[in-house]
Amino acid sequence: KAGVTQTPRYLIKTRGQQVTLSCSPISGHRSVSWYQQTPGQGLQFLFEYFSETQRNKGNFPGRFSGRQFSNSRSEMNVSTLELGDSALYLCASSLALGGTRETQYFGPGTRLLVL
Amino acid sequence: DQQVKQNSPSLSVQEGRISILNCDYTNSMFDYFLWYKKYPAEGPTFLISISSIKDKNEDGRFTVFLNKSAKHLSLHIVPSQPGDSAVYFCAASVEGGAQKLVFGQGTRLTINP
Repeated sequence: KAGVTQTPRYLIKTRGQQVTLSCSPISGHRSVSWYQQTPGQGLQFLFEYFSETQRNKGNFPGRFSGRQFSNSRSEMNVSTLELGDSALYLCASSLALGGTRETQYFGPGTRLLVL
Repeated sequence: DQQVKQNSPSLSVQEGRISILNCDYTNSMFDYFLWYKKYPAEGPTFLISISSIKDKNEDGRFTVFLNKSAKHLSLHIVPSQPGDSAVYFCAASVEGGAQKLVFGQGTRLTINP
């Protein structure tokens, strides 16, 4: 079974631009979560999508947004990029059968560099 | 407010010996705990998990222990192998169904031959 895939793997943008990252979950997984990893802050939760709806959100500004499509694929968008947005963005998927603790499986990440 | 803490940024262990990685948490609402292993330029790989109703879970060379009263969990790797060299993250989630993980800062484990 194919794992979580993320595109692109690397991205360079300049301040003020916007960026869209894509994530395809493991087949059959319905929940997609996004995390930001930086050296200073570690891994931080951005948001989670299930059935095309955002059902949980972390403490990030409104410049960070996302969406999920009917095939469970998800995109994450960051507008008006700042230098501090340089990070590894990780996507994770889980079955999300509901009510039980489930393991999240991570993709390889997208490395974003903002200049 | 760091709800999950891994106080040792790095750990060095000799091949064949036991590696013990520690993690403390402050939120008593956490009910599910996981350990992930991460190599550079890759996403975290799931290793082992434990529910708050248990105090131990074992999977091959990996055992996770949970002490709820101390709000402490540990990962034991026995015997340690060179391929175990990586950054290890503990993570926790709160009861409620949403898939939000709170991660520790990670511990870099180096296995010396």
